[in-house]
Amino acid sequence: GDSVTQMEGPVTLSEEAFLTINCTYTATGYPSLFWYVQYPGEGLQLLLKATKADDKGSNKGFEATYRKETTSFHLEKGSVQVSDSAVYFCALKAGQGAQKLVFGQGTRLTINP
Amino acid sequence: DGGITQSPKYLFRKEGQNVTLSCEQNLNHDAMYWYRQDPGQGLRLIYYSQIVNDFQKGDIAEGYSVSREKKESFPLTVTSAQKNPTAFYLCASSNRVGGGGNQPQHFGDGTRLSIL
Repeated sequence: GDSVTQMEGPVTLSEEAFLTINCTYTATGYPSLFWYVQYPGEGLQLLLKATKADDKGSNKGFEATYRKETTSFHLEKGSVQVSDSAVYFCALKAGQGAQKLVFGQGTRLTINP
Repeated sequence: DGGITQSPKYLFRKEGQNVTLSCEQNLNHDAMYWYRQDPGQGLRLIYYSQIVNDFQKGDIAEGYSVSREKKESFPLTVTSAQKNPTAFYLCASSNRVGGGGNQPQHFGDGTRLSIL
């Protein structure tokens, strides 16, 4: 079945460090890929998305590129801030008729000043 | 502002009791979803609905029930049959898949359910 695997957390970085959170997937067809962010005590917010191979999603300084050859969608940010501390979820929706989002287990990120 | 409202934010259930979590959206979305989130885990789909008066089971529907009598509302009942109900419950909505499989889901702020 479809699945998403994220790098295990927690991840702790200093402010202005470079961030990578790895995400790989297994899916039939041609999935759409998403990154969601969850701040403490809140629901999930869509951070960025990509719908086809080689697409790059970007938002708030975060980027992720849909790599079909490596089935990956790694999240990157060049210089993190304390306000980026949150849990990040990679997710896929498999195919045009798919209803279900399949989530990774989440990666908790803490940025120290 | 358009969005998804979940209530209450915190809910406590006694043993053997049914409780209902509310989810209302004013985004004019056709599809609505309920997820369960446990610590250190991703979200798991409980039920979803593509249209009024229709809904389907997700991956972990046992012990839960839903209704979709109005487009804006998709309440979730956690029944006494759900033996491990303590979790964070998230409601989401999206435009209907017919508009494109890449429609993102928009989430509410969640309800945290605990057992007394």
